[in-house]
Amino acid sequence: QKEVEQDPGPLSVPEGAIVSLNCTYSNSAFQYFMWYRQYSRKGPELLMYTYSSGNKEDGRFTAQVDKSSKYISLFIRDSQPSDSATYLCAMQLTGGGNKLTFGTGTQLKVEL
Amino acid sequence: EAGVAQSPRYKIIEKRQSVAFWCNPISGHATLYWYQQILGQGPKLLIQFQNNGVVDDSQLPKDRFSAERLKGVDSTLKIQPAKLEDSAVYLCASSLWFRTSGTGELFFGEGSRLTVL
Repeated sequence: QKEVEQDPGPLSVPEGAIVSLNCTYSNSAFQYFMWYRQYSRKGPELLMYTYSSGNKEDGRFTAQVDKSSKYISLFIRDSQPSDSATYLCAMQLTGGGNKLTFGTGTQLKVEL
Repeated sequence: EAGVAQSPRYKIIEKRQSVAFWCNPISGHATLYWYQQILGQGPKLLIQFQNNGVVDDSQLPKDRFSAERLKGVDSTLKIQPAKLEDSAVYLCASSLWFRTSGTGELFFGEGSRLTVL
């Protein structure tokens, strides 16, 4: 079993839709949870990060962490074609020295 | 502010040949990382440097991979001899902050895409 599981997609939605991206994990010691966005042939870029459980909102993006279920989510409201990318969840242990464990990524396509 | 620079962007070699990738991190970033991203997978950490010292190389296949960071700035990742399964994108990242607790944002370069035939 992988430490971090993520549905690879691809996920195709119409413009304006609400998108839900999810990851599950097995290591209960993870404390930092991130979402990175990766455009084709580019490096990942940090979208959001959350410490421990709870919600965090930034514009059209909302990140949720449920440590009791070992489940994290990223919601994208009013999705745009420019949101088409691969979304990678990543996690880190407390005291983990910035060492991230990534999911496999979900490929998202937002169509006009 | 200039981002993380990597070269070459693309490299095609035959198995058993050698290859080297170069990375120049964001100015002032003490921590540098090399990740391997195989098609359809998430990035996997190969090695992490703090200044010019190795923090973590537990997932680096040391029989064929080597990396150095001279003077705590630029870094080179070498593969010798290459195998078919080394075909991947090699991502370099840097961060401003390394501590035993907390986290700092990683800034990634565009990657070096290696194809081994």
